[in-house]
Amino acid sequence: QVQLVESGGGVVQPGRSLRLSCAASGFIFSYYHMHWVRQAPGKGLEWVAFISYDGRNEYYADAVKGRFTISRDHSQNTISLQMNNLRPEDTAVYYCTRDEGIEDDERFYFEYWGQGTLVTVSS
Amino acid sequence: QSALTQPASVSGSPGQSITISCTVTRSDLGIYNYISWYQHHPGKAPKLMIYDVYNRPSGISSRFSGSKSGNTASLTISGLQAEDEADYYCSSSTNTKTLLFGGGTKLTVL
Repeated sequence: QVQLVESGGGVVQPGRSLRLSCAASGFIFSYYHMHWVRQAPGKGLEWVAFISYDGRNEYYADAVKGRFTISRDHSQNTISLQMNNLRPEDTAVYYCTRDEGIEDDERFYFEYWGQGTLVTVSS
Repeated sequence: QSALTQPASVSGSPGQSITISCTVTRSDLGIYNYISWYQHHPGKAPKLMIYDVYNRPSGISSRFSGSKSGNTASLTISGLQAEDEADYYCSSSTNTKTLLFGGGTKLTVL
């Protein structure tokens, strides 16, 4: 079965960096686009970033553009989110999700989600 | 204000039907036909209930249905059950390769 397992969350000071990872299994990882979605405490869902099946295309929300970088490693079946210059408003549970489109088809909806990893940005 | 506007809360009694609306407030984003709906119980991963306005993923109850009229998409839940109490979010991709979520609607089953 499809599994997505996030790791790397924790408490970090403003301005510092953190790297999240998501281990994928149960499907042909190299076929699928992947995303990160977050939810701040008491707030709604917010899309963060997309990476295409082959890693050639990346898209970002305006709120993180220039600070966050999404990447993928096909040898490890993982995606990562490098978060630099963190701000208190980046405090959230970060979910790894699988796009339901494959290869050249981008669907931007998600049947499979990880359980999330909490990032807290605080001094 | 989000480009996808949802009511903050709706409520209904068991067995009743409720509808949650999602109004597209920005026509420039090209988000007419790609509305999805998610159910989110606190502390759990969100669950896809409807995609591409009308379609249900495998395993989702037929009590959940999606529709669209003009610039408003809707999620209808019929035969309301206690376990339907959750937050519901609409979402859509845009013509600039981003994804927007609505602000979320808290469904209370009375």
